[in-house]
Amino acid sequence: NAGVTQTPKFRILKIGQSMTLQCAQDMNHNYMYWYRQDPGMGLKLIYYSVGAGITDKGEVPNGYNVSRSTTEDFPLRLELAAPSQTSVYFCASSWALAGGKGGEQFFGPGTRLTVL
Amino acid sequence: DQQVKQNSPSLSVQEGRISILNCDYTNSMFDYFLWYKKYPAEGPTFLISISSIKDKNEDGRFTVFLNKSAKHLSLHIVPSQPGDSAVYFCAASAVSAIYDMRFGAGTRLTVKP
Repeated sequence: NAGVTQTPKFRILKIGQSMTLQCAQDMNHNYMYWYRQDPGMGLKLIYYSVGAGITDKGEVPNGYNVSRSTTEDFPLRLELAAPSQTSVYFCASSWALAGGKGGEQFFGPGTRLTVL
Repeated sequence: DQQVKQNSPSLSVQEGRISILNCDYTNSMFDYFLWYKKYPAEGPTFLISISSIKDKNEDGRFTVFLNKSAKHLSLHIVPSQPGDSAVYFCAASAVSAIYDMRFGAGTRLTVKP
């Protein structure tokens, strides 16, 4: 099992550019999440999904979009990148909904994004 | 508004001794708490959890204590090993927003041989 994989590992964007951060899991988890972590701060939830075709906003969704066409993949789209989106992005998945028994999350290694 | 706080950015202990990592929260609706460990260039990995109906949960060398009245939890690692050196995140959620985990900023633990 590869677990949760994320690509790319690093990326530098110019202001106004767009990109998609890829996330895939091979554990057949229904629940998937995107977080960002800014320096000195905890992880903040951007979007989450409870299954293919179903997504919802987290704490900090502005400037991002997601889609979930398959159980395995949960890409995060940045439109019109801004310096405030400079962060480390983590994708995660879980067997049950996070925050309850069985909801322990498996995280990918992260994507470090810099917007200049 | 940081609802989960880890006030110690770093902690250094000697191998074999106890490590105690602390976490405070402000939202009285939180009822499930987890600790994650993170090595450099890797994602966080789950360590241990506790429900608000308990005040202690143990898993090998790791024990989490919950004090609901003080809105405080702590992670004890006994005995500490050099391989425990990592950043430890505390996280919490409320049953009303079970998907919405709130994370602390982390404490970097260094265990010296």
